[in-house]
Amino acid sequence: DAKTTQPTSMDCAEGRAANLPCNHSTISGNEYVYWYRQIHSQGPQYIIHGLKNNETNEMASLIITEDRKSSTLILPHATLRDTAVYYCIVRVENSGATNKLIFGTGTLLAVQP
Amino acid sequence: EAGVTQFPSHSVIEKGQTVTLRCDPISGHDNLYWYRRVMGKEIKFLLHFVKESKQDESGMPNNRFLAERTGGTYSTLKVQPAELEDSGVYFCASGPRTGRGSGNEQFFGPGTRLTVL
Repeated sequence: DAKTTQPTSMDCAEGRAANLPCNHSTISGNEYVYWYRQIHSQGPQYIIHGLKNNETNEMASLIITEDRKSSTLILPHATLRDTAVYYCIVRVENSGATNKLIFGTGTLLAVQP
Repeated sequence: EAGVTQFPSHSVIEKGQTVTLRCDPISGHDNLYWYRRVMGKEIKFLLHFVKESKQDESGMPNNRFLAERTGGTYSTLKVQPAELEDSGVYFCASGPRTGRGSGNEQFFGPGTRLTVL
């Protein structure tokens, strides 16, 4: 079962920052936080991941709280093409362990014009 | 660089028939995964190959499903005989390596939509 909790849906105005929260209160020390998204009719797409430090790439920023019990994915300037279901996933990173992703229900982000 | 490709994009078969789905991972990726989303449910893991070996097949629903990855390149997922509840979208993903740190992301294909009538 998924070990994360996300809001079912969110709206965001085009051009504004989209802040998607995720709770992972039972996260353990060796678990990373991954974010993927699925745009309608496409396969899931990797966005970003992190352990305890904030991370930024060309797509988004990931802010992880100091106690690591929650995180926020930030899309700095949302566009209509960012409308998708966003999944927050926690995963152990150990050599030899399975890397399966456990998807929850995610957050449907609707970017409004 | 070509992404993960899957064939066919759609398949419509009758209950009891056999269907084989194919996945071509990104060149050089040792890790290959199969997932599926059945109607109204979440995306679920099926299995994980490292090269030609099955690393984890804990998500395979039953023995009607057979996955292979001969030679460690492309993979096939065969459903025989297909049942109505097998309808859904089957995703394949590949990844360059496993272990601590970066590089564990999985790159997904567009999926195969399977409809069993």
